[in-house]
Amino acid sequence: AQSVTQLDSQVPVFEEAPVELRCNYSSSVSVYLFWYVQYPNQGLQLLLKYLSGSTLVKGINGFEAEFNKSQTSFHLRKPSVHISDTAEYFCAVSRMDSSYKLIFGSGTRLLVRP
Amino acid sequence: DAGVIQSPRHEVTEMGQEVTLRCKPISGHDYLFWYRQTMMRGLELLIYFNNNVPIDDSGMPEDRFSAKMPNASFSTLKIQPSEPRDSAVYFCASSLVYPNYGYTFGSGTRLTVV
Repeated sequence: AQSVTQLDSQVPVFEEAPVELRCNYSSSVSVYLFWYVQYPNQGLQLLLKYLSGSTLVKGINGFEAEFNKSQTSFHLRKPSVHISDTAEYFCAVSRMDSSYKLIFGSGTRLLVRP
Repeated sequence: DAGVIQSPRHEVTEMGQEVTLRCKPISGHDYLFWYRQTMMRGLELLIYFNNNVPIDDSGMPEDRFSAKMPNASFSTLKIQPSEPRDSAVYFCASSLVYPNYGYTFGSGTRLTVV
């Protein structure tokens, strides 16, 4: 079975500082990886996804993530955050072979302070 | 496209009452998912459909929960009778055939059972 671990429940950071949100996964088969963002009182929105190819994936709003197979990680980064990036961020994994279910991590709340 | 549409946005009901949540997926999407989000348990997959057929309902917590998808453009999640512990935000999401396209989530229904 697959699992996703987001070790940091909350990450406070000052505006314009860089940020990294950590995500580690466990799976016995090849997977697809995703990051979603949830703004207050809204649904989840896809930020970026890794399917294959280049291990560095660029998404919306200036976010990027790097797939590291040896470390089974898919950390999300942004070089300079804005107040508007304050939200909950979810890492998710799905099997490549047959399942269409996304397994979500517990989420990381990014709190950007002025 | 208007995206995934859920109704109502908020629902307050008394314990023991029947509650029906509604979802209209994106036209042409083959998969529909129902998730529940709580502080304690995070995002939980309740059930998903492929071409209107329920594929996996192992996440449905109890027999009080039921879901239907009578056609490609409509799904319901029903709780009967409702209990205070059912209070949560319920999300509907839809996707194309493969998960690598990513899910599109609705804005959710915030259910409060008093």
